This record gives sequence, C-alpha cells and structure tokens, in this order.
Amino acid sequence: EADIYQTPRYLVIGTGKKITLECSQTMGHDKMYWYQQDPGMELHLIHYSYGVNSTEKGDLSSESTVSRIRTEHFPLTLESARPSHTSQYLCASSIGWNTEAFFGQGTRLTVV
Amino acid sequence: QQQVKQSPQSLIVQKGGISIINCAYENTAFDYFPWYQQFPGKGPALLIAIRPDVSEKKEGRFTISFNKSAKQFSLHIMDSQPGDSATYFCAASISTGGTSYGKLTFGQGTILTVHP
Repeated sequence: EADIYQTPRYLVIGTGKKITLECSQTMGHDKMYWYQQDPGMELHLIHYSYGVNSTEKGDLSSESTVSRIRTEHFPLTLESARPSHTSQYLCASSIGWNTEAFFGQGTRLTVV
Repeated sequence: QQQVKQSPQSLIVQKGGISIINCAYENTAFDYFPWYQQFPGKGPALLIAIRPDVSEKKEGRFTISFNKSAKQFSLHIMDSQPGDSATYFCAASISTGGTSYGKLTFGQGTILTVHP
C-alpha cells in the first residue's frame, strides 16, 4: 500500500469557487505529479515537481496551479472552478526518474 | 512526439485464457515502459516495467514483450483470473536529457473483463 494520500476523495462545488486539492506522501520522494483523468480515459500530466520550490507545467494545459513548499506536500489549486474542470485528479510521487510512480486514490471533482 | 497508442480499448477473456494488450510508440527516445493496473475507485498501481535492453520480462503470470525495431510492446496475462478485471495502461518515459525526462506518457487504457 502506497503512502500517498489525497483529500477530499469526492468534491461537488459551485462554479466560481476556489478549491484546493490536497496531496501528501510520507515516502520522502522528490518527484511529484498531478494527472487529470476523465472516466475510462488515459491520464494526462498537468503538473510536476522535481523537489521543493520547483514546479513545472505538464503536457496538458490546465488552469490550475500547484506549489511545493514541503517535500511531502503538493497541493493543487483552482482559483475559479468551472464545469469544464469536472474530472478526476490523481496525485503521484516517485523516488527518481523512471522508477515506480505511486498514485493516490484520486479526487473526483464535479463543478456544477 | 509523445503519443502512446494502446489497443484494444476493451477485452473480454474467459477464466484461464490469455489476455494480450498492445502498445505502440513513436518517440525513439522513450527508454522506460511500465504497465499500470487500475481498479475502479483506485489510483493506478505499477504492474510490471521493462527497459529496451531486454526483449521480454516475466513476473508471475504477467509478461512484457518488447520489440524495439517495431516500436511496440505488449502485456500478456497468462491464466487470466476474474480478479485481473481492471483497466490496464501502458506508459512510456525518457530517462535522460531534455525537458521531457521522467514524465510518463500514458496509453488510452484497456478495460479487461475476465469471466468466471
């Protein structure tokens, strides 16, 4: 069982609200990632981090932002949620490049 | 190009049968090819991975076959069990150099159903 946690698991929120999806890992991994996954579809990388104070945008453009102030914490923020943001968001971490990525259980976000 | 193409989209197999999922890639810089298994309501979990210096890797009932010249790799599940029913994703990444290294590019996924 991977030690990476995401909260909340499910979130239904109104348009225009600000939300933060939490992701924490206790494995001391430097590399952390956020993926977006629509039901039954592939995962798209939206943000990643090499370590503390390092964040980069992924392959899929996203209006969300991330921060990495502590090694174990990699929250994702949406300043103004829209229905187009409805999706599942998966956080992952790995000890290095091309090593096993451990995924959290995901946050299923619905914006109404 | 970063795309990884996966087929079939869905697969139904009888218990005890062989499940085969195929992936193809374009970027010859890819040098790490993992397969992830995802159950409903869970995040993906690493199943098995291969690097291009070998043509096959086996772990229990799961085997990856890799064809570097064809830029294809496949997952074989022998003696498929109902508990193997899940979504399977192939992926690829680059281990060194440039701005793309370390980031996994996923295939579209295959929904596997194993009937008892």
